[in-house]
Amino acid sequence: AQSVTQPDIHITVSEGASLELRCNYSYGATPYLFWYVQSPGQGLQLLLKYFSGDTLVQGIKGFEAEFKRSQSSFNLRKPSVHWSDAAEYFCAVAPMNYGQNFVFGPGTRLSVLP
Amino acid sequence: DAGVTQSPTHLIKTRGQQVTLRCSPKSGHDTVSWYQQALGQGPQFIFQYYEEEERQRGNFPDRFSGHQFPNYSSELNVNALLLGDSALYLCASSSGDNPYEQYFGPGTRLTVT
Repeated sequence: AQSVTQPDIHITVSEGASLELRCNYSYGATPYLFWYVQSPGQGLQLLLKYFSGDTLVQGIKGFEAEFKRSQSSFNLRKPSVHWSDAAEYFCAVAPMNYGQNFVFGPGTRLSVLP
Repeated sequence: DAGVTQSPTHLIKTRGQQVTLRCSPKSGHDTVSWYQQALGQGPQFIFQYYEEEERQRGNFPDRFSGHQFPNYSSELNVNALLLGDSALYLCASSSGDNPYEQYFGPGTRLTVT
């Protein structure tokens, strides 16, 4: 069965530091890949997505992610974190060409120190 | 342009009762998906509606049912509520042109006591 793992439950970084959130997936074939962010009391906002092509994708708010097929990973990065980035981050996968039943990881909570 | 809206914001129900949650999709979207997000977990796919039909379903019991109206809005119904149904219920909408770009609503927080 397909699954998504996010090994880090909670990460704390200082404002201005770089960030990397890890995501690994288990799937029969390369799925479509997504990163979402959820602020307290809010719904999910799409940060970026990978369908095909260049394995380094750029998203909103200065985020980027790199798809590595050999490692079944899709890690999210940001070179300099801002206090407003504190939130819950979810990695998600969806099967190619077979509907949009997204499978989400358990999430990583990001705290930012001033 | 209004995004995805959900009502109510919060809801408290008793075990065994029934509940209906509502969702209005983003303008121009015709597909609605529902997710359950338990505390501290990622969202889990319940089902998706398109053209007033349930198109896909996740691993949820028949107590969970839904409906989509001609204006594309949708309802999620849960019968015989269990304590374990307490969660944030998220609605997401998308369009046939861009089905993988899902826009999420703020959710309905359901508490079952």
